Amino acid sequence: GNSVTQMEGPVTLSEEAFLTINCTYTATGYPSLFWYVQYPGEGLQLLLKATKADDKGSNKGFEATYRKETTSFHLEKGSVQVSDSAVYFCALSRGSARQLTFGSGTQLTVLP
Amino acid sequence: DAGVIQSPRHEVTEMGQEVTLRCKPISGHNSLFWYRQTMMRGLELLIYFNNNVPIDDSGMPEDRFSAKMPNASFSTLKIQPSEPRDSAVYFCASSPAEGGETQYFGPGTRLLVL
Repeated sequence: GNSVTQMEGPVTLSEEAFLTINCTYTATGYPSLFWYVQYPGEGLQLLLKATKADDKGSNKGFEATYRKETTSFHLEKGSVQVSDSAVYFCALSRGSARQLTFGSGTQLTVLP
Repeated sequence: DAGVIQSPRHEVTEMGQEVTLRCKPISGHNSLFWYRQTMMRGLELLIYFNNNVPIDDSGMPEDRFSAKMPNASFSTLKIQPSEPRDSAVYFCASSPAEGGETQYFGPGTRLLVL
């Protein structure tokens, strides 16, 4: 079946540090890949997505590239801010099945 | 445009009581999802509707849980009787027919069963 494995947290960084959160997946065929972000006390929000191999999703300074050869979709940001503190979820969606399979989430804390 | 609306935002109840959670999806969206989030189990899909019809309820924990979608603009998740282990944040999400893989989440209902 489909599964998503995320880098375990929590991750604590200083402001302006470089961020990488690893995500690998297992799925048949060609899933679409997503990163969602959850700020404290809120629901999940779509951060970025990629629908085919070698696509790069980007938003708010975050980027992730769909790597089929390594079945990965790592999230990166060159310079994090305190306001980026949140939980980040990697997810996949497979074809006509509209369910998303989520990873376990990675808590990010950015210190001033 | 309004996003997904959930009510109540917080619910505190006693074990054995009935709890009803409500969701209004984004207008025009034809798929609706109910999730439960806990520290121990993370984010779990409970049930998924497409065009008001339940498609996959394999995540519903047991018969105490039931979900309905009487029309395209309203869904309920009911727990009867509630138990302390049902304490969690319950999210509703919806997605559109076109480009339907992206789900839009509501703010959640935080449920505490004493």
